Amino acid sequence: NAGVMQNPRHLVRRRGQEARLRCSPMKGHSHVYWYRQLPEEGLKFMVYLQKENIIDESGMPKERFSAEFPKEGPSILRIQQVVRGDSAAYFCASSPKAPHSGANVLTFGAGSRLTVL
Amino acid sequence: GQQVMQIPQYQHVQEGEDFTTYCNSSTTLSNIQWYKQRPGGHPVFLIQLVKSGEVKKQKRLTFQFGEAKKNSSLHITATQTTDVGTYFCAGPTTGNQFYFGTGTSLTVIP
Repeated sequence: NAGVMQNPRHLVRRRGQEARLRCSPMKGHSHVYWYRQLPEEGLKFMVYLQKENIIDESGMPKERFSAEFPKEGPSILRIQQVVRGDSAAYFCASSPKAPHSGANVLTFGAGSRLTVL
Repeated sequence: GQQVMQIPQYQHVQEGEDFTTYCNSSTTLSNIQWYKQRPGGHPVFLIQLVKSGEVKKQKRLTFQFGEAKKNSSLHITATQTTDVGTYFCAGPTTGNQFYFGTGTSLTVIP
């Protein structure tokens, strides 16, 4: 039973390019969360999605960032026109149920480390 | 908005000493979870607490959930070098987020 799969593990982009980060949740998990972590800092919530729906995107910057979780395929976090400040580790996590349920343990992927030159 | 603070932010201990990190939420939590992130790694689930006043143990780790369900603690007895990492508490917000605390980074000096 594969865990949460994220790719690429490392991504280097030049300023102005686009970054696409992919996340395949654990089998049976339909709830996906994206977090951003700067070096030596905590996990900052970005967005919470269920299949085909964005449930909460209050942590997403208003511009350049978008996320989706299509019916088929992985969840994708897209960053357009990257800037140096976007350099960070982006973690995806999945859970079988919604945040307030009793079985809402998050399983994290290994993360995608984005470096913007 | 809802905040989940942890103290201390950093802790250095000699191997064999005890360690405690405290988690405080500005609002009541339906449940609280603890995660550990090793340097360069990703967060890994440790435990979930649901009931008011609940105490759970995992070998040298003791987890408590406060009576008001707004605070929690993690205590490690006789730390080992394998305990190194950042410990996060986390819980569901009144909205639909799963909010992580600020984390406590533990360094164990051999």
